Amino acid sequence: EAGVAQSPRYKIIEKRQSVAFWCNPISGHATLYWYQQILGQGPKLLIQFQNNGVVDDSQLPKDRFSAERLKGVDSTLKIQPAKLEDSAVYLCASSFPDGLKGYGYTFGSGTRLTVV
Amino acid sequence: GNSVTQMEGPVTLSEEAFLTINCTYTATGYPSLFWYVQYPGEGLQLLLKATKADDKGSNKGFEATYRKETTSFHLEKGSVQVSDSAVYFCALRDNFNKFYFGSGTKLNVKP
Repeated sequence: EAGVAQSPRYKIIEKRQSVAFWCNPISGHATLYWYQQILGQGPKLLIQFQNNGVVDDSQLPKDRFSAERLKGVDSTLKIQPAKLEDSAVYLCASSFPDGLKGYGYTFGSGTRLTVV
Repeated sequence: GNSVTQMEGPVTLSEEAFLTINCTYTATGYPSLFWYVQYPGEGLQLLLKATKADDKGSNKGFEATYRKETTSFHLEKGSVQVSDSAVYFCALRDNFNKFYFGSGTKLNVKP
């Protein structure tokens, strides 16, 4: 069974540049999540989608971060402009809807972003 | 609010030693509890879970018991192997399906 696909695996950019990450969830998973994992810390939820609608973006720094899931499948997370403190691994996860208690919750391998 | 606290690492053990990684939580409602493992360069993998008080999750020789009275979910393994070297994350999932992770504990197992 295919897992959650993310690209790129690694990205190095200069501060004030823009960057975008892509996630393709497991087929049939209506719920999609983006997490930020700073080195030495546990993942922190940035945004949660149910199909193409946002369920929770309370932890997303909206002045520089944006995310979309236009067709309810793939999703992109963008940072513009990037800051040094955005250096982290960005994890995507997907699951069946809340009604199934997040059954099948699966994480992707992540995109490691380094801002220099 | 919801939060998870786990013991700081790194934890260094010899092969076949007994492992305990402590995890305590604060939560409202009735959370589910999880242990995830992350090998170098890889994503998070679910190791085990427990969905209600007194449940014991187990997998690959690891186990943890959901203790509501002590708000704990300590991870244990009777005999660790070099291949168990990884970072272990304790997490809770609240009633809104949001995950809260601990800061992770790195385990180094020496031959």
